[in-house]
Amino acid sequence: DAGITQSPRHKVTETGTPVTLRCHQTENHRYMYWYRQDPGHGLRLIHYSYGVKDTDKGEVSDGYSVSRSKTEDFLLTLESATSSQTSVYFCAIRTQWADGYTFGSGTRLTVV
Amino acid sequence: GESVGLHLPTLSVQEGDNSIINCAYSNSASDYFIWYKQESGKGPQFIIDIRSNMDKRQGQRVTVLLNKTVKHLSLQIAATQPGDSAVYFCAEIGNTNAGKSTFGDGTTLTVKP
Repeated sequence: DAGITQSPRHKVTETGTPVTLRCHQTENHRYMYWYRQDPGHGLRLIHYSYGVKDTDKGEVSDGYSVSRSKTEDFLLTLESATSSQTSVYFCAIRTQWADGYTFGSGTRLTVV
Repeated sequence: GESVGLHLPTLSVQEGDNSIINCAYSNSASDYFIWYKQESGKGPQFIIDIRSNMDKRQGQRVTVLLNKTVKHLSLQIAATQPGDSAVYFCAEIGNTNAGKSTFGDGTTLTVKP
């Protein structure tokens, strides 16, 4: 779907364990974003990247870290998962700031 | 801070009727607005966009209207079909290089046959 894939699609993990979600794109887009989506909160930005090794925090970055060592991959890590991080996570890409996003299909993460 | 909100969380229409979904935004510096459609189990999909120098933009069966005076935009769907049933989000993009978006919470559109 427009060259963006997320993995895994579903994951169940235990509280306190580390979790890494992967976003992979094949179209050389400069900008990549991680959002979480929760009922009553819409889409909230966790972190974003504007180039290799260039990342910045979004509005709900606590408890999350990201890495972008190459253009095509943007990794989201939960260092020690908590139940409040149970959510659906979406990766998005865009070519330039004036364009709309293309979203991945999402990762449903459950922390038990 | 910035916020984007939709007026109604749910909207139910009869098949064939026109639908209007509304959105209010607070950042008067926003340059660019987008409507997204999200079907169950999928990521949001781009529907139509509009830039701040325009009042209206039309697509296939969809029209977006922008009123900068009252900071309001709307999505009109003509001849609504069952396949239009989804959650619709508006998003505004500020004029920064990172182009971070602020999303509304979404309106769930249900089309009755």
